[in-house]
Amino acid sequence: SQELEQSPQSLIVQEGKNLTINCTSSKTLYGLYWYKQKYGEGLIFLMMLQKGGEEKSHEKITAKLDEKKQQSSLHITASQPSHAGIYLCGADHSGGGADGLTFGKGTHLIIQP
Amino acid sequence: GAGVSQSPRYKVTKRGQDVALRCDPISGHVSLYWYRQALGQGPEFLTYFNYEAQQDKSGLPNDRFSAERPEGSISTLTIQRTEQRDSAMYRCASSLARGRGNTIYFGEGSWLTVV
Repeated sequence: SQELEQSPQSLIVQEGKNLTINCTSSKTLYGLYWYKQKYGEGLIFLMMLQKGGEEKSHEKITAKLDEKKQQSSLHITASQPSHAGIYLCGADHSGGGADGLTFGKGTHLIIQP
Repeated sequence: GAGVSQSPRYKVTKRGQDVALRCDPISGHVSLYWYRQALGQGPEFLTYFNYEAQQDKSGLPNDRFSAERPEGSISTLTIQRTEQRDSAMYRCASSLARGRGNTIYFGEGSWLTVV
């Protein structure tokens, strides 16, 4: 079974609408990273969450970590075409930090004009 | 450099040939990681280094895969006797140090196609 599940797998949202992507871990989370990938390009770092209840925002993107539930959510407000891409969550399951992250399969986000 | 740099960006090779992929991490970053990403999947951990020491190679699929970082900076991932199943995006990442709270930055990746 997948150690890190992302949902939904794909999402089509009308421009201007809000959306949420979820990432659930089957193991204890010591840290949770969110990245964005555009086709053929590198992974762009968005945010890193470490503590239960932690919430971070960057422009119109907010991520929260629920450590007890071993899950994180990424929320985009008033989506724009520039938000389109694949969103990946990566989990630190080792407790030792950046020894290697376990990634979900990604959520493919399409923004309809 | 300003970001993690990988080369080549695209590589097409014939089955059975050896391939070397290069990664130049962000200047001053101690930790360097290699991942592999198949289409429709998330990146899968291969190996990582602190300085020149390879700390964990548990993710390397088999003994045809090897990596080195002899001077603690640039790293090379080598795949010997390539097979079609090795076709994937190979991603390199680096972080300032090991340990919780260190952001991991990824390069643009090297697309490998084995024909």
